[in-house]
Amino acid sequence: KAGVTQTPRYLIKTRGQQVTLSCSPISGHRSVSWYQQTPGQGLQFLFEYFSETQRNKGNFPGRFSGRQFSNSRSEMNVSTLELGDSALYLCASSFNRGRVYFGEGSWLTVV
Amino acid sequence: DQQVKQNSPSLSVQEGRISILNCDYTNSMFDYFLWYKKYPAEGPTFLISISSIKDKNEDGRFTVFLNKSAKHLSLHIVPSQPGDSAVYFCAAPGSQGNLIFGKGTKLSVKP
Repeated sequence: KAGVTQTPRYLIKTRGQQVTLSCSPISGHRSVSWYQQTPGQGLQFLFEYFSETQRNKGNFPGRFSGRQFSNSRSEMNVSTLELGDSALYLCASSFNRGRVYFGEGSWLTVV
Repeated sequence: DQQVKQNSPSLSVQEGRISILNCDYTNSMFDYFLWYKKYPAEGPTFLISISSIKDKNEDGRFTVFLNKSAKHLSLHIVPSQPGDSAVYFCAAPGSQGNLIFGKGTKLSVKP
């Protein structure tokens, strides 16, 4: 069974640009969550999607958004990038709030 | 306000000795705790969990202890191996269904 797949793995963007990250969950998993990891801050919850609907949202500004497609694949978008958005963005999938499986993450550097 | 705290950012132990990673929490409503292990450039992987109805859970070299009165849990690794060198995150399910993580402890096991 393929794991959680995230693309791209690494990317560099300029301040003010926007970025879209993609996540393919484990087959059969309908819940997809996104987390941001920055040095010294652990993993912070961004949002969760279930059956194409945002079910929960963390404390991030509106520049961070996401969506989920009918095949459970998810994308997250960050607009008007700031230097502080440089981080590892992790996608996690689960069947429905069961055991959570993480992808390898997308490393975003904003310059 | 951090609900899950890992106060030691790093820990260094000798191969073969015991590694003890600590985690404190503030929310007495938490009823389940998890430990994740993360290697550089990889996503976190589930290691071991414990329900609040237990005070100990063991899986091979890994044992988690829970002290509800002190709101404290610890992960013991015996014996420690160089391959255990990683960042360890303590987590608990939040009310929104997301996982609330500590900031992690970087374990270095020296040969």
